[in-house]
Amino acid sequence: KQEVTQIPAALSVPEGENLVLNCSFTDSAIYNLQWFRQDPGKGLTSLLLIQSSQREQTSGRLNASLDKSSGRSTLYIAASQPGDSATYLCAVLNEAQGGSEKLVFGKGTKLTVNP
Amino acid sequence: DAEITQSPRHKITETGRQVTLACHQTWNHNNMFWYRQDLGHGLRLIHYSYGVQDTNKGEVSDGYSVSRSNTEDLPLTLESAASSQTSVYFCASRDRTGELFFGEGSRLTVL
Repeated sequence: KQEVTQIPAALSVPEGENLVLNCSFTDSAIYNLQWFRQDPGKGLTSLLLIQSSQREQTSGRLNASLDKSSGRSTLYIAASQPGDSATYLCAVLNEAQGGSEKLVFGKGTKLTVNP
Repeated sequence: DAEITQSPRHKITETGRQVTLACHQTWNHNNMFWYRQDLGHGLRLIHYSYGVQDTNKGEVSDGYSVSRSNTEDLPLTLESAASSQTSVYFCASRDRTGELFFGEGSRLTVL
């Protein structure tokens, strides 16, 4: 059974700092991995999607990497801003078995960027 | 712009009443999902659909049902609302690349 872990559960940094959020998973037979951000009282916003054949994806100040063999993904945020404060979740889509849905979410990392 | 919308955004109901949460997407995605999000449990899958007339149970499907009569809509029905179903409900759809898109959520309170 796939398990997705995000450590730490919470992180507080000063504005301008570069930071890394971690996501680990136990089963490397994945189809893709997706990073989301969630603001309080809002839905999840897709940040980056990495297919299993890819090693990284970039969007603006965000860079996500994927190492299937070690079961790890990192989300790198450059020059953090107070507006980056949110909860960041990763989700792993496993290769389907028997047609059943195999998307597993981590519990998230709550990021606070202090001015 | 294509989007996914949920309604109502907030709902208060009483125990035993039937409640339907609507989900509408304009991307023409075949795959649609309903999740609930609770403190301490994260996101849990309730039901999902891979296309018209297709519905499947997720990990917490008891007390919920869905129907898929067209591509755009996947309404979630609580047959007889219970206090344990107080939660925030999210609808999502997935495109052909596997990217998942979420609605803004529906906050349901069952008194």
